[in-house]
Amino acid sequence: GAGVSQSPSNKVTEKGKDVELRCDPISGHTALYWYRQSLGQGLEFLIYFQGNSAPDKSGLPSDRFSAERTGGSVSTLTIQRTQQEDSAVYLCAIPGLRNTGELFFGEGSRLTVL
Amino acid sequence: DAKTTQPPSMDCAEGRAANLPCNHSTISGNEYVYWYRQIHSQGPQYIIHGLKNNETNEMASLIITEDRKSSTLILPHATLRDTAVYYCIVRVAVASKIIFGSGTRLSIRP
Repeated sequence: GAGVSQSPSNKVTEKGKDVELRCDPISGHTALYWYRQSLGQGLEFLIYFQGNSAPDKSGLPSDRFSAERTGGSVSTLTIQRTQQEDSAVYLCAIPGLRNTGELFFGEGSRLTVL
Repeated sequence: DAKTTQPPSMDCAEGRAANLPCNHSTISGNEYVYWYRQIHSQGPQYIIHGLKNNETNEMASLIITEDRKSSTLILPHATLRDTAVYYCIVRVAVASKIIFGSGTRLSIRP
């Protein structure tokens, strides 16, 4: 979506490997969200960054998942020792600049763990 | 954020108005109602939001009951391209985590 670039768009990996997914928002956004969506399921909240505050990691499903946001811009979601159940589309979102609460989503990274 | 309840699926004839209900009986005074939709294999798209007054934009209208415990998203002239999952969310309009429910899968029939 406009304002949020995600890469890779598709990633196929073998079980047990680590993967990194990247979210690159246009500048000026202090907040950033990660969600995942398994096939046929709804959006599952993972983590939320807001400025310099400690991120809300309450949605991360296990300690294999971590995320960081460097310099208040690019964010990386890392999944260690991937499992088949990690297969999903991982979506990054940023709030609109009008600060009225709407989110704008990227096109997502589709992860397939074989 | 308050919990929302939506029917899992609905259908509507093309060209007719699609009315999607949402219950949010535990909504707080400072919480807004937001609607998003997700067309197959795309990221969710913001549609509209409101606090207590009815709202209209180029995509849809949002009707919020006087007690704010429920709302209805109206697509005035549904087209096949409106087939999507529609999510109703309640949240304060400041930065906080946003939880999406299961949404309503709307099917538009020709």
